[in-house]
Amino acid sequence: AQTVTQSQPEMSVQEAETVTLSCTYDTSESDYYLFWYKQPPSRQMILVIRQEAYKQQNATENRFSVNFQKAAKSFSLKISDSQLGDAAMYFCAYRSFPTFQGAQKLVFGQGTRLTINP
Amino acid sequence: DAGVTQSPTHLIKTRGQHVTLRCSPISGHKSVSWYQQVLGQGPQFIFQYYEKEERGRGNFPDRFSARQFPNYSSELNVNALLLGDSALYLCASSLEGLSYTDTQYFGPGTRLTVL
Repeated sequence: AQTVTQSQPEMSVQEAETVTLSCTYDTSESDYYLFWYKQPPSRQMILVIRQEAYKQQNATENRFSVNFQKAAKSFSLKISDSQLGDAAMYFCAYRSFPTFQGAQKLVFGQGTRLTINP
Repeated sequence: DAGVTQSPTHLIKTRGQHVTLRCSPISGHKSVSWYQQVLGQGPQFIFQYYEKEERGRGNFPDRFSARQFPNYSSELNVNALLLGDSALYLCASSLEGLSYTDTQYFGPGTRLTVL
């Protein structure tokens, strides 16, 4: 079974600075997907960024980028120019390569609470 | 376009009771997944449905059941509630759940408290 580990329960950063959230995972599969989701106090889980394991190029979405190290099974999220609205719980998640009969479940880490200091 | 909607927003039940949670997916999405998020933890997969058929089930007891309707909305039922069932229940919808580009979009959740 796949597992996802986020070793930083809490992180804080000054507004406009850069912060990196860590995530490691364990799998025997070669093809899979990795995600970062954000959950603000409103509770709604929002997709931040997605990475396909077969792609060597790291995904980027505006101020959000990832450092995907497949051999090390590491998938960190970098937030540049942090804004007050970035404050939330951040979850790293794993999803297996799709099969016709298999469930497409997300396996989540424990989360990292990010605080932005003005 | 409306996102994933869930009802009710909050719910308080007592031990031994039964509860039904409801989810409406994004228009055009045919797959619905349910997750349980206990306070302070990441969500845990409960079920996935596609085209009214159960595609997968997580490690939850038989007290948990679900179904999907012809309009692709879904219900999650929990019988004989236990204190440990208190959690945020999240529903996620996706187009089909098969494509590598398919993404799960989450609703705001239902907060269930069991007393």
